[in-house]
Amino acid sequence: KAGVTQTPRYLIKTRGQQVTLSCSPISGHRSVSWYQQTPGQGLQFLFEYFSETQRNKGNFPGRFSGRQFSNSRSEMNVSTLELGDSALYLCASSSDGGAVTEAFFGQGTRLTVV
Amino acid sequence: AQSVTQLGSHVSVSEGALVLLRCNYSSSVPPYLFWYVQYPNQGLQLLLKYTSAATLVKGINGFEAEFKKSETSFHLTKPSAHMSDAAEYFCAVSDLTGANNLFFGTGTRLTVIP
Repeated sequence: KAGVTQTPRYLIKTRGQQVTLSCSPISGHRSVSWYQQTPGQGLQFLFEYFSETQRNKGNFPGRFSGRQFSNSRSEMNVSTLELGDSALYLCASSSDGGAVTEAFFGQGTRLTVV
Repeated sequence: AQSVTQLGSHVSVSEGALVLLRCNYSSSVPPYLFWYVQYPNQGLQLLLKYTSAATLVKGINGFEAEFKKSETSFHLTKPSAHMSDAAEYFCAVSDLTGANNLFFGTGTRLTVIP
């Protein structure tokens, strides 16, 4: 069974640009969550999608958005990039997004904003 | 609000020695608690989870954790450290809404000395 796949693995963007990150969950999983990991703030929840609908959202500005497709693949978009957006972005998938359902993480996309 | 606090950002142990990584939680209701491990340039892998079924939880790779309500703690232990245990460990608590949105601690980096 293939794991969670995130593409690209590494990305360098210029301040002010926008970026789209992709996450393909484990086959059959309907819930996809996104997290930002930085040395200063640690791991922070961005948002969660289930069956193409955003169910939960963390405390991030509107520049951070996402969507989920009918095949459960998800994309995350960050517009007007700032230096502080440099981080490892992790995607996690689970079968139903329930509180005790195991979430499987991808290897992440490391975004560097210069 | 749900939160976890990990005491000690860095822990060093000798190979074969006891591993003890500390986690305290804050929650208004009985929480769901998790321990994840992250190896360099990798995503997170679930070690174990507490879902109120049993206070002593056994996980993968010989790790276990005990839920102590009186101490609001969920410390991670392993009787004998192995070189391959060197990694960063995160304690996490589930969102109260019942969704699989995790609030992570700041992490503890474990170094194993040969």
